[in-house]
Amino acid sequence: QKEVEQNSGPLSVPEGAIASLNCTYSDRGSQSFFWYRQYSGKSPELIMSIYSNGDKEDGRFTAQLNKASQYVSLLIRDSQPSDSATYLCAVRGGGADGLTFGKGTHLIIQP
Amino acid sequence: GAVVSQHPSRVICKSGTSVKIECRSLDFQATTMFWYRQFPKKSLMLMATSNEGSKATYEQGVEKDKFLINHASLTLSTLTVTSAHPEDSSFYICSALAGQGNYGYTFGSGTRLTVV
Repeated sequence: QKEVEQNSGPLSVPEGAIASLNCTYSDRGSQSFFWYRQYSGKSPELIMSIYSNGDKEDGRFTAQLNKASQYVSLLIRDSQPSDSATYLCAVRGGGADGLTFGKGTHLIIQP
Repeated sequence: GAVVSQHPSRVICKSGTSVKIECRSLDFQATTMFWYRQFPKKSLMLMATSNEGSKATYEQGVEKDKFLINHASLTLSTLTVTSAHPEDSSFYICSALAGQGNYGYTFGSGTRLTVV
């Protein structure tokens, strides 16, 4: 059974600092990796997607993927209070599969 | 970009009744749609995958006779919770996949179901 593990937190980071979120997955056949942000009572919104080993940067966000270690991370630079949310790591095996989500990390940015 | 409209956003129903949730792709044809359920402070759990014109594929442990999924067209999928019970109270979210691209997942806004 596919599993995606995240530290549930809460992770508290001062405003302006770098927030680091981590995720591990069990299925070595996984091909696509996603980070979603979810506010309470709302649907997830896509932050980043990454498909190959290495780093991928988009604005203040950097996703890192290491398939050998089955590890995905998300770095948020210059953290803002509005970044406070639950961050979900999601993994797809291949084809038109649905996503397997981790439990999410609750991030709190302290002003 | 791709938009998925989900209705209703909130619904309260009596125990034993059925509730239908609709998910529409507004500006693209969704070849595949996914239905997720999220309990409070828990993650999204995939319930089923539906492809237009064929029967849905349910994840292990999800009762297909209780959660009826219909994907009659490339723009509409529905989830009907039959004979609802309080333990079915949850946040239900649909997601549509347009084509085979990695960018293809688009989520609806979710439906908060409360069974009393």
